[in-house]
Amino acid sequence: AQTVTQSQPEMSVQEAETVTLSCTYDTSESDYYLFWYKQPPSRQMILVIRQEAYKQQNATENRFSVNFQKAAKSFSLKISDSQLGDAAMYFCALRTSGSRLTFGEGTQLTVNP
Amino acid sequence: EPEVTQTPSHQVTQMGQEVILRCVPISNHLYFYWYRQILGQKVEFLVSFYNNEISEKSEIFDDQFSVERPDGSNFTLKIRSTKLEDSAMYFCASSRDSDNEQFFGPGTRLTVL
Repeated sequence: AQTVTQSQPEMSVQEAETVTLSCTYDTSESDYYLFWYKQPPSRQMILVIRQEAYKQQNATENRFSVNFQKAAKSFSLKISDSQLGDAAMYFCALRTSGSRLTFGEGTQLTVNP
Repeated sequence: EPEVTQTPSHQVTQMGQEVILRCVPISNHLYFYWYRQILGQKVEFLVSFYNNEISEKSEIFDDQFSVERPDGSNFTLKIRSTKLEDSAMYFCASSRDSDNEQFFGPGTRLTVL
């Protein structure tokens, strides 16, 4: 069975600052994908970034980057130059064989002006 | 930009009643999914659907649930006899293939009284 854990129910950051959201996971499979999804108040989940487990290089998408530590089964999300529009619930998710996504509990991010 | 749509946005029903939640996936996508999120809890996988049949389902997806693609555009989730614990946000998602990003709809909030 797969598990995903987000130990930070809430985080806050000042506008223009950097924040890191934590995620750990567990799986016995060697081939898997990791994702960060953003869920704003409108509730539609939007993919922020994805990481293939076989890739050693950390994924980057503009102001969003990940720190993927495969041995530690850790997958944190760094948001640089935080903007008010980044305020949302962030979910870490894991996909192994098959197509189901296993989600973490979520981290509510507040961006303070 | 194409998106997944869901109707209704909010459904209120009496315990024991049947409900059908509707989704229109992105038109060139082949894989369809249902997830649910009970208030304050994780997003949970229910079922995936490909080539007019269920490809994977979770332990939550029991005989009370069924899915159907009645025509070329809609994808539905039916709950035959709703229980109080079925109250949740139900998300539909679709992807081009099993390895690609899953695009989520805005969700249907189901309230069972």
